[in-house]
Amino acid sequence: SQKIEQNSEALNIQEGKTATLTCNYTNYSPAYLQWYRQDPGRGPVFLLLIRENEKEKRKERLKVTFDTTLKQSLFHITASQPADSATYLCALVGSSNTGKLIFGQGTTLQVKP
Amino acid sequence: NAGVMQNPRHLVRRRGQEARLRCSPMKGHSHVYWYRQLPEEGLKFMVYLQKENIIDESGMPKERFSAEFPKEGPSILRIQQVVRGDSAAYFCASSPGLAGGPDYEQYFGPGTRLTVT
Repeated sequence: SQKIEQNSEALNIQEGKTATLTCNYTNYSPAYLQWYRQDPGRGPVFLLLIRENEKEKRKERLKVTFDTTLKQSLFHITASQPADSATYLCALVGSSNTGKLIFGQGTTLQVKP
Repeated sequence: NAGVMQNPRHLVRRRGQEARLRCSPMKGHSHVYWYRQLPEEGLKFMVYLQKENIIDESGMPKERFSAEFPKEGPSILRIQQVVRGDSAAYFCASSPGLAGGPDYEQYFGPGTRLTVT
């Protein structure tokens, strides 16, 4: 069956360091992959989208990579700040689907000052 | 441009009652998705609707749950005869994509937290 896995353990890092979050998937061939941020008690907020023919995408301090051979996406936050503390969700979108998102469980990031 | 609006934000129902959750998409968006987030679990897709049409309801429980998106007014997620296991956060998202296409991000509302007592 299709499976999307993100590190279930919280990631704790020091302010200023680079945070790297992992999203692995199996039995799936997504055409697109998206990353969202979710704060407690709020809905997810879109961050970045990367297509299967793109290796890397950047937006300000954020960088996403997409390796369809390894079936993995990495999400990086450089020069992390305490305000980056949140849960980060990866979501897959199939190539022939209706746009519905299949989410991973999310990884909680805690950036300490 | 107001974001996706959901109401109520919190809803308490006794077992056996009905729950109605409303979602108004962003202006100009005609594609609506509903997701459910159970405690300690990830977001799960429930249903995808366009105006007056259910496009994909593969994530909807077979019984007690229904959704609509009328020509006028908000999208409604309806849960009949609620049970304790229905307690969760229900999120609505909207998208501007012409065909709900996968290259459009989804804009999420703040969610409705349903508690069944």
